[in-house]
Amino acid sequence: GQQLNQSPQSMFIQEGEDVSMNCTSSSIFNTWLWYKQDPGEGPVLLIALYKAGELTSNGRLTAQFGITRKDSFLNISASIPSDVGIYFCAGLPWGGAQKLVFGQGTRLTINP
Amino acid sequence: DSGVTQTPKHLITATGQRVTLRCSPRSGDLSVYWYQQSLDQGLQFLIQYYNGEERAKGNILERFSAQQFPDLHSELNLSSLELGDSALYFCASTHGRDRGLNRGGYTFGSGTRLTVV
Repeated sequence: GQQLNQSPQSMFIQEGEDVSMNCTSSSIFNTWLWYKQDPGEGPVLLIALYKAGELTSNGRLTAQFGITRKDSFLNISASIPSDVGIYFCAGLPWGGAQKLVFGQGTRLTINP
Repeated sequence: DSGVTQTPKHLITATGQRVTLRCSPRSGDLSVYWYQQSLDQGLQFLIQYYNGEERAKGNILERFSAQQFPDLHSELNLSSLELGDSALYFCASTHGRDRGLNRGGYTFGSGTRLTVV
């Protein structure tokens, strides 16, 4: 089945630094989504991307839908302590039923 | 509050036992999805129901089953539990059934943490 390779698996940064993470796949995806999961909670949608090449921002977050439809990245600028958590990419495979496929997650830790 | 309600929040049970996890979708949502998240793992799709009918199946074990009731709430039944079944189980909902009928991904509940001892 379709798989998403998300990297890096974990990041340890200083407060104020910029963050970049990405997801790649060997197959085409119709939609790319980025979620954040806080401890003990369910994932919360951050950004949704629907067209190849689309670049979307949500405050300090920016994400892009790769032109090949096989990748996406998420950038966080000027990180703050509340950015700590696990970030998941997710995609809707092209040609399949509406069933989100998730990456393995990027665990972000911020040193104040 | 996402609008998706999962109960119980925590569950501790012994191996070999059976448990039922409950999910109430967001008001107006017809599709319910169940995902399993093991320690430090991503989310693994288990099963989807749309308006009471099974719509898609993922890597769901034969010991696991689910159903969606007329009021659209869903239950995930886990039987003959093993230590490896310990995980977070998430329910998510959307309005539509297939791609194109809704946008913005799924809305997740807060999960049920299952510990099998």
